[in-house]
Amino acid sequence: NAGVTQTPKFQVLKTGQSMTLQCAQDMNHEYMSWYRQDPGMGLRLIHYSVGAGITDQGEVPNGYNVSRSTTEDFPLRLLSAAPSQTSVYFCASSHPGSGADTQYFGPGTRLTVL
Amino acid sequence: DAKTTQPPSMDCAEGRAANLPCNHSTISGNEYVYWYRQIHSQGPQYIIHGLKNNETNEMASLIITEDRKSSTLILPHATLRDTAVYYCIVRPPQGGGADGLTFGKGTHLIIQP
Repeated sequence: NAGVTQTPKFQVLKTGQSMTLQCAQDMNHEYMSWYRQDPGMGLRLIHYSVGAGITDQGEVPNGYNVSRSTTEDFPLRLLSAAPSQTSVYFCASSHPGSGADTQYFGPGTRLTVL
Repeated sequence: DAKTTQPPSMDCAEGRAANLPCNHSTISGNEYVYWYRQIHSQGPQYIIHGLKNNETNEMASLIITEDRKSSTLILPHATLRDTAVYYCIVRPPQGGGADGLTFGKGTHLIIQP
């Protein structure tokens, strides 16, 4: 299993540009999430999904859209990039089970918005 | 989710046991204690979790006090590769973390050679 994969690893955007961060998992997990991590800070939840066709907002959803057309993929779209969105973005997946809340994280995408 | 308190940083000598404390005095009866770590520039990694009993796996041991208001993560023989930020997270069993995990600032553990 590749686990959770994210592409690209690095990206530089100009203010106002749009782009999609890709996230895929091959563990057949129902739940997927997107987090951002700013320097010296913990992770903050952007959006999450409990299954194909179902998404919901997290703590910091503004400026981002998500969709979940398949179990495997959960792309994150930046509609009009702003310097405040410069951050490291992590995707995670998990499977509802016997109380365990084990999330598996991808390696991250480092985004700089100029 | 219950709030947790961790020291911002700790040092430990290589080969010694690293004991990382976490206070969670407002924990509810159905909330689990989870530990994750984040090695520099990588995604967080699950370590261990527990409800009431002490737990051990191939990575670490988790000791939860009888009143469940605090816990300690133990890395029995720390290596340089264990240098990372360690996060203690308390949350109810919401079936896979549907609404995500709440990460604080964690403890930066530095293993000294």
